[in-house]
Amino acid sequence: DAGVTQSPTHLIKTRGQQVTLRCSPKSGHDTVSWYQQALGQGPQFIFQYYEEEERQRGNFPDRFSGHQFPNYSSELNVNALLLGDSALYLCASSPDLTDQETQYFGPGTRLLVL
Amino acid sequence: AQSVTQLDSHVSVSEGTPVLLRCNYSSSYSPSLFWYVQHPNKGLQLLLKYTSAATLVKGINGFEAEFKKSETSFHLTKPSAHMSDAAEYFCVVRTEENRDDKIIFGKGTRLHILP
Repeated sequence: DAGVTQSPTHLIKTRGQQVTLRCSPKSGHDTVSWYQQALGQGPQFIFQYYEEEERQRGNFPDRFSGHQFPNYSSELNVNALLLGDSALYLCASSPDLTDQETQYFGPGTRLLVL
Repeated sequence: AQSVTQLDSHVSVSEGTPVLLRCNYSSSYSPSLFWYVQHPNKGLQLLLKYTSAATLVKGINGFEAEFKKSETSFHLTKPSAHMSDAAEYFCVVRTEENRDDKIIFGKGTRLHILP
């Protein structure tokens, strides 16, 4: 079992560009959540996907959007990048929407915006 | 509104001595509480969780935490620190308010183990 995987591991973009990050959940998991972890901070919840729909959303602007595919993998898209979007982006999966007690995290994608 | 406060940003202990990482929470509803550990360049790993069962929760790697409602605390402890425990630790509170699932991470405590 590969666990939660994320790609790419690192990414460098410039202000105004758009970025897409990818996540494959742990085998058997159908719920995917995304978090942003700024340097020296705890992760902040961005949104959660289940059955290809956004189910919950944190306090992030509409520049942050996502998608979930029929195979449960997910993408996080960020438009019009700002310097402040530089962070580690974490993906977490859980067995289903009713079992949020245990989330498995991927290693993250480190995004640097110049 | 809910929040979580990790009282120490850094904690240093000698190898073989006890570890105490402090966490206080605020929640209008009955919370679930978690501790996660983050080693450099690795994903967050769940250490333990409290979900309204026994107030003393045992986790992996010898860690445990006690839920104290009267003190709104969920401190993480370990009797004897090991060098491999050096990492960042996050306290997490989760509540479901009006079907809105909220998950809040603390800012983290970096644990340093001295030889």
